[in-house]
Amino acid sequence: SQKIEQNSEALNIQEGKTATLTCNYTNYSPAYLQWYRQDPGRGPVFLLLIRENEKEKRKERLKVTFDTTLKQSLFHITASQPADSATYLCALDNYGQNFVFGPGTRLSVLP
Amino acid sequence: DAMVIQNPRYQVTQFGKPVTLSCSQTLNHNVMYWYQQKSSQAPKLLFHYYDKDFNNEADTPDNFQSRRPNTSFCFLDIRSPGLGDAAMYLCATGQGHSYEQYFGPGTRLTVT
Repeated sequence: SQKIEQNSEALNIQEGKTATLTCNYTNYSPAYLQWYRQDPGRGPVFLLLIRENEKEKRKERLKVTFDTTLKQSLFHITASQPADSATYLCALDNYGQNFVFGPGTRLSVLP
Repeated sequence: DAMVIQNPRYQVTQFGKPVTLSCSQTLNHNVMYWYQQKSSQAPKLLFHYYDKDFNNEADTPDNFQSRRPNTSFCFLDIRSPGLGDAAMYLCATGQGHSYEQYFGPGTRLTVT
């Protein structure tokens, strides 16, 4: 069965550093991969979408890569700030079939 | 502002008593999704509507049903809630498959 893993359950980094979050998957061939941010008690908020034929996508301080050979996506937040502290979820999608979220990584940016 | 609205934000129901959660959107999106999220877990897709077409996930219990009377509204019906159904229920919309999803604030369901 398909499986999605996100590096660690929790990640602590120092303010100003680059946070790197990992999303690995098996038994799945997603056409799209999305990243969301979720704050406690609130719905997820969309951040970035990358297609299977794209290697990299950027938006302001965010960068996502997608390696379909390694079955992995990396999500980077540069110049991290305490306000970036949240849970980050990756989500896999195959043209609307089998849309599934990963378990999430709780990021804490320490001042 | 265009948005996804969920009512109520908090719902308490009794074991076995039917409950309905509602979602509305002003985005005019084709797709509406319902997710269940338990504490410290990822949102789990229950089903979605693409326009009027209903798509049920294979492992969604029969206890969960949905209705979409028009583009703007979608309802989640839990016919006989059990203690294990206590969770946050999230509604989301999208322009189509494989587009970003816009989530509402969620309804926190408690079953007593």
